[in-house]
Amino acid sequence: KQEVTQIPAALSVPEGENLVLNCSFTDSAIYNLQWFRQDPGKGLTSLLLIQSSQREQTSGRLNASLDKSSGRSTLYIAASQPGDSATYLCAAVSGNTPLVFGKGTRLSVIA
Amino acid sequence: GAVVSQHPSWVICKSGTSVKIECRSLDFQATTMFWYRQFPKQSLMLMATSNEGSKATYEQGVEKDKFLINHASLTLSTLTVTSAHPEDSSFYICSAPIDRSSYEQYFGPGTRLTVT
Repeated sequence: KQEVTQIPAALSVPEGENLVLNCSFTDSAIYNLQWFRQDPGKGLTSLLLIQSSQREQTSGRLNASLDKSSGRSTLYIAASQPGDSATYLCAAVSGNTPLVFGKGTRLSVIA
Repeated sequence: GAVVSQHPSWVICKSGTSVKIECRSLDFQATTMFWYRQFPKQSLMLMATSNEGSKATYEQGVEKDKFLINHASLTLSTLTVTSAHPEDSSFYICSAPIDRSSYEQYFGPGTRLTVT
């Protein structure tokens, strides 16, 4: 059974810092790995999707990498801004279970 | 881009009543939709897979008689919480895959259910 773990659970950084969020998964037979952002009380916004054949995806200040062999993905956020404050969730798609989510990392960017 | 909507965005109901939540794909057809539940400060847990024209598939531990799912059209799935209790209070989110090969999903904005 796929399990997804995210560390750290919470992170607070000053504005402008670069930061890395970590995601690990137990079953490397994944179809894709997806990163989401969730604001308090809101739904999910898809940030990046990495197919199993890909190593990384970039969108603006965000870069996500995938290492299937080690069961890890990272989300890199460059030059963080207060507007980046949210919970970031990673989710793996493998087998017949559509998405298995980690518990998320709550990010606070302090101005 | 693909959009998934949910209605209502929040609802308060009394214990013992039933509540229906709608999930619509606005600009694409979705033969499959997924329903998730999220408790405060917890991750999203898949409840069931909704299949157009057939019975939903429920995850282990989810009562199918309590959480009724109907997927009557290619753009609408409904989740009815029957005889709601306070412990059913949660954030319910639906999603629909846009690409069957990649399983990329688009999520609705969620429905906050509070049972008093």
